[in-house]
Amino acid sequence: AQSVTQLGSHVSVSEGALVLLRCNYSSSVPPYLFWYVQYPNQGLQLLLKYTSAATLVKGINGFEAEFKKSETSFHLTKPSAHMSDAAEYFCAVSAFYSSASKIIFGSGTRLSIRP
Amino acid sequence: GAGVSQTPSNKVTEKGKYVELRCDPISGHTALYWYRQSLGQGPEFLIYFQGTGAADDSGLPNDRFFAVRPEGSVSTLKIQRTERGDSAVYLCASSLSGTGATDTQYFGPGTRLTVL
Repeated sequence: AQSVTQLGSHVSVSEGALVLLRCNYSSSVPPYLFWYVQYPNQGLQLLLKYTSAATLVKGINGFEAEFKKSETSFHLTKPSAHMSDAAEYFCAVSAFYSSASKIIFGSGTRLSIRP
Repeated sequence: GAGVSQTPSNKVTEKGKYVELRCDPISGHTALYWYRQSLGQGPEFLIYFQGTGAADDSGLPNDRFFAVRPEGSVSTLKIQRTERGDSAVYLCASSLSGTGATDTQYFGPGTRLTVL
């Protein structure tokens, strides 16, 4: 079985500050891990994904995430927040080996940016 | 090219009625997925198609829910005898193959279903 836990349903940071969104996963098999972003009234957009090639994954819009197997974590970071980063962020996991590649999502973290 | 499209964007129905939600995947994508997103929650997997066949329907909550993809392209999610608890945003996604590290699911904007 696979699952993800996102720590903090709401995170607020000042513009220009570090963004850190936390995600821990549980998986009985090697996982693929994802971060998706959902802007208001828009569909889900893939930010980045981990597929075992490299533990530090760089995504779009300056975001990156580091896979830490020992901590079962895949936290999302961005050095300097922009107002446009305000959105809902979802961490997700799927099975590395399975041909049925359904994605299991966390409950989401709403990121707010203070001017 | 065009992304995943879903129609209608909003659907309001009465308890007990039947509804159909449509998904048009990206052209050439063999894999198609349905998810359901309740308010304040992450998307929840419902069903996955590989071509015309349902490869994994383990997420369908009960037998009131059914989905088809008869020609391996457009898919329809059908809900019978709707209940208020079915109110959610129904998301469709498609991907090129459904397998492998490079395969990416692209999501549509969703259909917001409200059951009164």
